[in-house]
This record gives sequence, structure tokens and C-alpha cells, in this order.
Amino acid sequence: GQNIDQPTEMTATEGAIVQINCTYQTSGFNGLFWYQQHAGEAPTFLSYNVLDGLEEKGRFSSFLSRSKGYSYLLLKELQMKDSASYLCAVKDSNYQLIWGAGTKLIIKP
Amino acid sequence: DGGITQSPKYLFRKEGQNVTLSCEQNLNHDAMYWYRQDPGQGLRLIYYSQIVNDFQKGDIAEGYSVSREKKESFPLTVTSAQKNPTAFYLCASSTPFEAGEQFFGPGTRLTVL
Repeated sequence: GQNIDQPTEMTATEGAIVQINCTYQTSGFNGLFWYQQHAGEAPTFLSYNVLDGLEEKGRFSSFLSRSKGYSYLLLKELQMKDSASYLCAVKDSNYQLIWGAGTKLIIKP
Repeated sequence: DGGITQSPKYLFRKEGQNVTLSCEQNLNHDAMYWYRQDPGQGLRLIYYSQIVNDFQKGDIAEGYSVSREKKESFPLTVTSAQKNPTAFYLCASSTPFEAGEQFFGPGTRLTVL
């Protein structure tokens, strides 16, 4: 079966750095996506990785290792508005998105 | 402004009634999707459509139906055959189907009483 694993919940302090991990086992790989979802709202796109390595976009970076089936999302200089769920999703061989359950990130002052 | 709209935001229905959720996009995207989100679970694909007048079942299509008569519109009907319809429903679109991120509407929270 296909599976995406993420921690259920993480807590971090305002101004700090946090790394959210995602491991996947899918039938084929056509890219990995990270989305941010505030409670009761729609997911919004953060990043896309299809090749190994680090993609940086402002305070957010995403890393991919296809051989290890592993990705992480790195958030720097945390702000209170970063409190949200972070969803990892992988596009499989049929170009379907397989979604993880999401990681709820709690930011404390 | 381009985007995806879903209506209504909250919907209440009695058990045994069919209900249709609206999804409209003006992004000129070919592909559209319906997902269901339940607490503690990832998004699960109900139906998707790559082009007008064509749609495919996702992982949890039982008890749901869709139509794609116009590029802009992809309504979802939750029928009385759906055993546990109370959930948060998200519509998304993308172009092209094989690549690119999906853009989501604001969602409809359906509660069946």
C-alpha cells in the first residue's frame, strides 16, 4: 500500500527553527508537495520538490531524498502566524496526490 | 481575481437527503478534484476530472456523484448511500494534470443530522 508518515504534532518557540519530517512509500514518484493549512481553511501551496536537494523560499525550505523516501520542511524565524497544520503529499505513478495526515505545529511565545 | 469558490461554507442536512456542493473556478484549469478531509486523516480523493465531460473515481467514490458539463464547474452530490457524510469537503483545480500544484477552494463543512 501507499503510505505517507508525518509527526502528528510539534511545538516550537517564536523566533526559533523547526523541521517537519515526512517519509513516504508510494507506487512511483512524480514530485513531493508541502502545503500549509490553517484550522478550518483550505490548504495553500508552500513548496514542490522533484529532484534531490534543498529548495529555499524565504523563511521556508524543503529538502528531498528520493533514495530514502524522505523529505523535510524547515521553517525559520518562526512567527505566531505559522501555527497551522503542514501537509506532505506525493504524486504517484498515476499522477495522483497521496496525502499525509498532516503535522499540527504549535508556536509558543 | 482568479480563484476557486465553494458554496456554502457550512451545510446541514437530514439523514437520507441528497445534497449538492458547488465548486466553481475561473483559473482556466483543465483538471478539478474533490477531496474529503476528516480529523486526523489525510485528504482522500473522491472524484477527479481531467477535462470537460470526463471524470474518474478516486479512492472513496462510493455514495458520491459528480458532473463536469463546463470547464469552470465541478459539482459534487453526496447521496443518501454515503454512510458517513459528515466531513470537510475541499475542491481543487490544477493545470496540467500531470504536473503543477493544486489550488484549493475554501471548503464546505457538511453536517448530517
